[in-house]
Amino acid sequence: QQPVQSPQAVILREGEDAVINCSSSKALYSVHWYRQKHGEAPVFLMILLKGGEQKGHEKISASFNEKKQQSSLYLTASQLSYSGTYFCGTGGGDYKLSFGAGTTVTVRA
Amino acid sequence: NAGVTQTPKFRILKIGQSMTLQCTQDMNHNYMYWYRQDPGMGLKLIYYSVGAGITDKGEVPNGYNVSRSTTEDFPLRLELAAPSQTSVYFCASSHSPGESNQPQHFGDGTRLSIL
Repeated sequence: QQPVQSPQAVILREGEDAVINCSSSKALYSVHWYRQKHGEAPVFLMILLKGGEQKGHEKISASFNEKKQQSSLYLTASQLSYSGTYFCGTGGGDYKLSFGAGTTVTVRA
Repeated sequence: NAGVTQTPKFRILKIGQSMTLQCTQDMNHNYMYWYRQDPGMGLKLIYYSVGAGITDKGEVPNGYNVSRSTTEDFPLRLELAAPSQTSVYFCASSHSPGESNQPQHFGDGTRLSIL
């Protein structure tokens, strides 16, 4: 079953922060985050595994709460390059990921 | 450059035609995946493979077939194309081990229209 992402879209000014949430109805082993620019392939950002760790990529970080079966992606001091659609992919411990519908982030100067 | 290569990049098919989308990777990854992405939507898994000779269905396999005769190649075949198969198709690969803790590397996609 697909994870649910919220919000669907967010508009930011450069330097502002945002949080994207990803929730699953089933137990999670891992959460992947990818960013896709318009007309391009998804690009890997980070993976979080069971254990509630936080990870970072540039000024983008994420957390994973396995009890709540959810992950959050934090965009800090956003830059124009952060614009794109962010997808979470959830893994149940097998070979497959289920992807959310995506959150479109627009960063304006 | 190392990575996942998909061909063709664009294709228009008539209803009922067949075609094969090619995918090859040079990273020696065991795991390979085919996804489709409809406008404004996320990625849906069509088929995947955990190694040469081993394939399995994903969420939306109907109307598609795959084969995996080598580690490098994972072609996706559309038989009797239908308008509902108009989509962008992405191939991806990842390292083992066999749990979802390895990043997936995506090709640039094939944009397919069925008219």
